[in-house]
Amino acid sequence: NAGVTQTPKFQVLKTGQSMTLQCAQDMNHNSMYWYRQDPGMGLRLIYYSASEGTTDKGEVPNGYNVSRLNKREFSLRLESAAPSQTSVYFCASSRRYSITNEKLFFGSGTQLSVL
Amino acid sequence: DAKTTQPNSMESNEEEPVHLPCNHSTISGTDYIHWYRQLPSQGPEYVIHGLTSNVNNRMASLAIAEDRKSSTLILHRATLRDAAVYYCILTGAGSYQLTFGKGTKLSVIP
Repeated sequence: NAGVTQTPKFQVLKTGQSMTLQCAQDMNHNSMYWYRQDPGMGLRLIYYSASEGTTDKGEVPNGYNVSRLNKREFSLRLESAAPSQTSVYFCASSRRYSITNEKLFFGSGTQLSVL
Repeated sequence: DAKTTQPNSMESNEEEPVHLPCNHSTISGTDYIHWYRQLPSQGPEYVIHGLTSNVNNRMASLAIAEDRKSSTLILHRATLRDAAVYYCILTGAGSYQLTFGKGTKLSVIP
């Protein structure tokens, strides 16, 4: 199984450009998440989707939009990229929305630089 | 979710056991203790989690203090591939996100 697959792995954007980060999972999980990780810091939740058809804001949603395309796919869009969005982005999934007693499975990340 | 405290860094010799500590003195009775690790240039990887009893899996063991105010992740025989940042995270009832701190950076010496 591939698990959680993210594309692209690397991307360089100019300020003001837009792009979409793609994420797909093949584990039939209900919930999916987008996190960002800045140098020397822990991961912070941007948006999540508890189940197909629903999305909610996390800790740092400003400047981003998401789409839960179907049960497998959850995309993250930057409409007008800013240098502050330079970061490594991780997609994750879990069987259930409440992860109190669940595991999260993470993708390998997208390294985004905004110049 | 309650806060955890971990050492910034630890070193271990290859093929020796490693004990990674985590303090969580404000843990509540329904909080689970999770451990994830992040290898260089990789996404976080689940290691183990538990509530009250000690837990074992193929990767590691989790020893939870009787009062639950601390726990220890045990790698039985460190390999070079175990060099990573290890995160101890608590999840309460209804948690929908993992709150990552800075974790412990484990270096494994050949």
